[in-house]
Amino acid sequence: SQTIHQWPATLVQPVGSPLSLECTVEGTSNPNLYWYRQAAGRGLQLLFYSVGIGQISSEVPQNLSASRPQDRQFILSSKKLLLSDSGFYLCAWSAWGLPYEQYFGPGTRLTVT
Amino acid sequence: GQQLNQSPQSMFIQEGEDVSMNCTSSSIFNTWLWYKQDPGEGPVLLIALYKAGELTSNGRLTAQFGITRKDSFLNISASIPSDVGIYFCAGPSGDYKLSFGAGTTVTVRA
Repeated sequence: SQTIHQWPATLVQPVGSPLSLECTVEGTSNPNLYWYRQAAGRGLQLLFYSVGIGQISSEVPQNLSASRPQDRQFILSSKKLLLSDSGFYLCAWSAWGLPYEQYFGPGTRLTVT
Repeated sequence: GQQLNQSPQSMFIQEGEDVSMNCTSSSIFNTWLWYKQDPGEGPVLLIALYKAGELTSNGRLTAQFGITRKDSFLNISASIPSDVGIYFCAGPSGDYKLSFGAGTTVTVRA
């Protein structure tokens, strides 16, 4: 069966520091991969998605970037964090033929201080 | 992207009650999905619907794809305490992407 991992689970970072969040998927090949952000008490905002290695689509202009160095690995990065980057970051995957059935990881709670 | 409006925004349940919530879209969908999110966790896919008029169950949950293709409904029968959480509807927003509603928060009535 398929499993999705995210780490770290929680992170507290000062303003201006770099960020690297990692997501890996097991048990499937060539998944579509997604990064979402969820502000407290709010809905899900799509940040990036990828349909293949090295292919990244950005949905929201910001100081974040994403990379997909391997088929089942998706990384969210920032060179300098802002206070507004605080939130709950969720990685998700979907199968190549079923893009809308998205399965989420456990999330990373990021607090920028 | 598509606008999804969920109703109600929040609701209280009493154990054993049947509860309903719905979601409407500003445009026609070919797919509707329902997710549940527990505090501090990622959303879990409950039900996916692919055909107008389709009625699909997952245990005590039943979801319907509205005939107009602009709405969907989720019913929970015989509520139990672990049904509390936030329920999100979602629909396609371009290739590979989903738009999510703002969620319906379900809480246990004291």
